[in-house]
Amino acid sequence: SQTIHQWPATLVQPVGSPLSLECTVEGTSNPNLYWYRQAAGRGLQLLFYSIGIDQISSEVPQNLSASRPQDRQFILSSKKLLLSDSGFYLCAWSVRAGTGNTIYFGEGSWLTVV
Amino acid sequence: QQQVKQSPQSLIVQKGGISIINCAYENTAFDYFPWYQQFPGKGPALLIAIRPDVSEKKEGRFTISFNKSAKQFSLHIMDSQPGDSATYFCAASISVGNEKLTFGTGTRLTIIP
Repeated sequence: SQTIHQWPATLVQPVGSPLSLECTVEGTSNPNLYWYRQAAGRGLQLLFYSIGIDQISSEVPQNLSASRPQDRQFILSSKKLLLSDSGFYLCAWSVRAGTGNTIYFGEGSWLTVV
Repeated sequence: QQQVKQSPQSLIVQKGGISIINCAYENTAFDYFPWYQQFPGKGPALLIAIRPDVSEKKEGRFTISFNKSAKQFSLHIMDSQPGDSATYFCAASISVGNEKLTFGTGTRLTIIP
């Protein structure tokens, strides 16, 4: 069966510090990978979407970047965090195509920028 | 338009009652409509999904009703229980190709005893 791992689960970082959130998917090949952000009590905002290694689309302009160094690894980064980067970050995956694009989410990472 | 509009934003239902959450979409090319359930501090999980070739799908106490002509679909939770208290998201996508899911804004459901 497929599993998705995301870490760290919680993170408190000072303004201006760097960020690295990592996500790996097991049990599938060539997945679509996603990073979402969810502000407190808010909906799901798609940040990045990847259909393959080094194929990443940014959905909104922001202080964050994403990389996919391996087929099943997705990394969310920032060089200098802003207070507004605080939120709940969710990695997710889906089968490449043709099955309704069900998205499977990880457990999420809570980021607090102080 | 790729929007999916979800209502209400929050909902309080008494235990044993019926919870109803509504979504409307604009893109007639959408052909896959899932609902996700999210508990506090957790990632959303797929609850139930429907395709437009049927008007209703039922899984246990959860039912999706789909109205293609009105471009609306809804989630009904029968005999609502306190354990159903969560945030619910509707979504829609085009199932062919790499189309991304478009999510609604979520409904916070609270079931009171």
